[in-house]
Amino acid sequence: QVQLQESGPGLVKPSETLSLTCTVSGGSITSYYWSWIRQPPEKGLEWIGYIYYSGSTNYNPSLKSRVTISVDTSKSQFSLKLSSVTAADTAVYYCAREERYYGSGSYSSRFDYWGQGSLVTVSS
Amino acid sequence: QSVLTQPPSVSAAPGQKVTISCSGSSSNIGNNYVSWYQQLPGTAPKLLIYDNNKRPSGIPDRFSGSKSGTSATLGITGLQTGDEADYYCGTWDSSLSDVFGTGTKVTVL
Repeated sequence: QVQLQESGPGLVKPSETLSLTCTVSGGSITSYYWSWIRQPPEKGLEWIGYIYYSGSTNYNPSLKSRVTISVDTSKSQFSLKLSSVTAADTAVYYCAREERYYGSGSYSSRFDYWGQGSLVTVSS
Repeated sequence: QSVLTQPPSVSAAPGQKVTISCSGSSSNIGNNYVSWYQQLPGTAPKLLIYDNNKRPSGIPDRFSGSKSGTSATLGITGLQTGDEADYYCGTWDSSLSDVFGTGTKVTVL
C-alpha cells in the first residue's frame, strides 16, 4: 500500500520561504506524477503543482512565480518550496500521487493516494 | 476563485439519495474526465470516482458518477451517517492546471 508523509516546519514567517518534503513508501516513485495541494482553514482545495519522476514540472498559474517542486528519486521524496509567503498561504498542505493520461482528446487526472496533511501557519 | 461550481450543501435522511452537481465549462469538464473526492472531518481527501464514472477498488457501488456536457454529478444512494463529509469534484483545465470544485457539505438528517 502506497503511503505518503509530509514533513517540514509548521510555522513560517511572512516573506520567508515555506519548505515541505513528502516521503513515498510502499511503492515506487517512478512512472507517476506527484502533486502538492493545499487547503486554507475552512476553505476548499487548491492544486499547487506536480512533478513527474523524471523532473518535469507544471505549476498552478496563480502560484507559478513563487513555487518550485523538486524530486529526489534515490530517497523516494519530492519537495515543495513556496517563496515570499503571506498569511494567505496559511493552509494544510497535502502531497498526493497523481495518475494522469491523455487519450481520445481528453485528459484524465486523479489523485489516488494522499498524505495526511501538514498545517503550515504563516505568522511573525 | 474555483472554476468549478458546486452547491454549498445538500442533505437527506438516512437511506435516501443525494446528488451533487459540478458545473464547469468547455475548458475543463466539457473536454476532460472528472474525478470526485470525499473528505471526512479532519482527514485528507479520498478518491471516490475517476474518469467520470469509475470507482476505485473498495469504494461501494452506492457512489456513482456521471457527466453530461460541461457538468458532472455525484450520486450517493442508501445514505449513511458515515457519509457526512465534504465532497469535491476535480478535472484538468486548459489553463494547464488541475482544478477542484468549490466543495459540497453533505448532511445526514
